Amino acid sequence: GAVVSQHPSWVICKSGTSVKIECRSLDFQATTMFWYRQFPKQSLMLMATSNEGSKATYEQGVEKDKFLINHASLTLSTLTVTSAHPEDSSFYICSASVIWTGVNTEAFFGQGTRLTVV
Amino acid sequence: GEDVEQSLFLSVREGDSSVINCTYTDSSSTYLYWYKQEPGAGLQLLTYIFSNMDMKQDQRLTVLLNKKDKHLSLRIADTQTGDSAIYFCAERGSSRDDKIIFGKGTRLHILP
Repeated sequence: GAVVSQHPSWVICKSGTSVKIECRSLDFQATTMFWYRQFPKQSLMLMATSNEGSKATYEQGVEKDKFLINHASLTLSTLTVTSAHPEDSSFYICSASVIWTGVNTEAFFGQGTRLTVV
Repeated sequence: GEDVEQSLFLSVREGDSSVINCTYTDSSSTYLYWYKQEPGAGLQLLTYIFSNMDMKQDQRLTVLLNKKDKHLSLRIADTQTGDSAIYFCAERGSSRDDKIIFGKGTRLHILP
């Protein structure tokens, strides 16, 4: 299957600093990328949907000024957590969607980034 | 809105079959997925089924779909200790922008 690489896999940062997480589709062009957040022992919650070259669409309750998403190319999307606070500590997972010929679409997931804000 | 429900815990003896159930509300769901998540790791796609199918088998995994009742199940035959994980049921439509909606996950515990 297609490979999605997410970097870094874990990061510890000080409160008030910003952290950037990268999501790359290695062997396909992803027209759409999704960013999810997972709290301990809970399901994945969609944060935002981004299409290459356009502004991300954020889910209700997600602060777009805090979670900056850039999807500059068909193989790269970035999520920047600005002015991080301990409550932002979580597991962040990206997903890239690819359209095969015709109708079918599939989504592939990165391995996730564990962010700890101290 | 769309919703996916699944039980939170399941305990199964090693060697027995595990059956994880899931219900969803979106009748326009096109793809239904089962993902496995081991501690601290990302999601691993186990299998998926198109909405026009009612069964899919892949080695020890069998997926059953009852589209009328919007019920999906995952059966793991001969459950092993390595199967211990959280299993997420998920659904999405066919548009490229359709987001994947996840259930809360079922934690599968293997008893010796």
